[in-house]
Amino acid sequence: DADVTQTPRNRITKTGKRIMLECSQTKGHDRMYWYRQDPGLGLRLIYYSFDVKDINKGEISDGYSVSRQAQAKFSLSLESAIPNQTALYFCATSDPPLETQYFGPGTRLLVL
Amino acid sequence: GDSVTQMEGPVTLSEEAFLTINCTYTATGYPSLFWYVQYPGEGLQLLLKATKADDKGSNKGFEATYRKETTSFHLEKGSVQVSDSAVYFCALTHKAAGNKLTFGGGTRVLVKP
Repeated sequence: DADVTQTPRNRITKTGKRIMLECSQTKGHDRMYWYRQDPGLGLRLIYYSFDVKDINKGEISDGYSVSRQAQAKFSLSLESAIPNQTALYFCATSDPPLETQYFGPGTRLLVL
Repeated sequence: GDSVTQMEGPVTLSEEAFLTINCTYTATGYPSLFWYVQYPGEGLQLLLKATKADDKGSNKGFEATYRKETTSFHLEKGSVQVSDSAVYFCALTHKAAGNKLTFGGGTRVLVKP
């Protein structure tokens, strides 16, 4: 079984709708991250969490919110989706002092 | 702030050709440097890393050397295979910054038989 899972894998929604993307991990890591991938822009950090009580904004947090329900679960919400939020979204985990991040398979989101 | 610049793709090669993907960075202090690879339809996975100047990371025939003097971390492979077709991302992080990764834009590599 995969260590980092994301649901759904694909989602089509309409402008103005609320949508939640979920991430679960079995690696036992404290740190979790949400990234957005756009063609030619690499991955950009949306939010990150160092533990259940510590949540921080990344470089592109506007229009997004997150919830860390447990060590193993980190959800990303789009309260009112807009077309320019169409992208591939990745969840990742890491465990200090190691610096390697472990990525989920991604969620492809299309906002019409 | 930190930034990573890598060569734009796509890079198209024949099997057994030599591959180089250039990566340069701007960062304060001494970041750790990474190459991640994304195979079609999958998430990113670590390919190799280097944590201090002159370190060489290597994995699956790929190599990259941390060059502090030129702020570079170029990825090389001597003989590519069709299975190396993927998108490659150069990235950096600082432990003091909570291991947040700063990525380059990615380079798509296509290896033809």
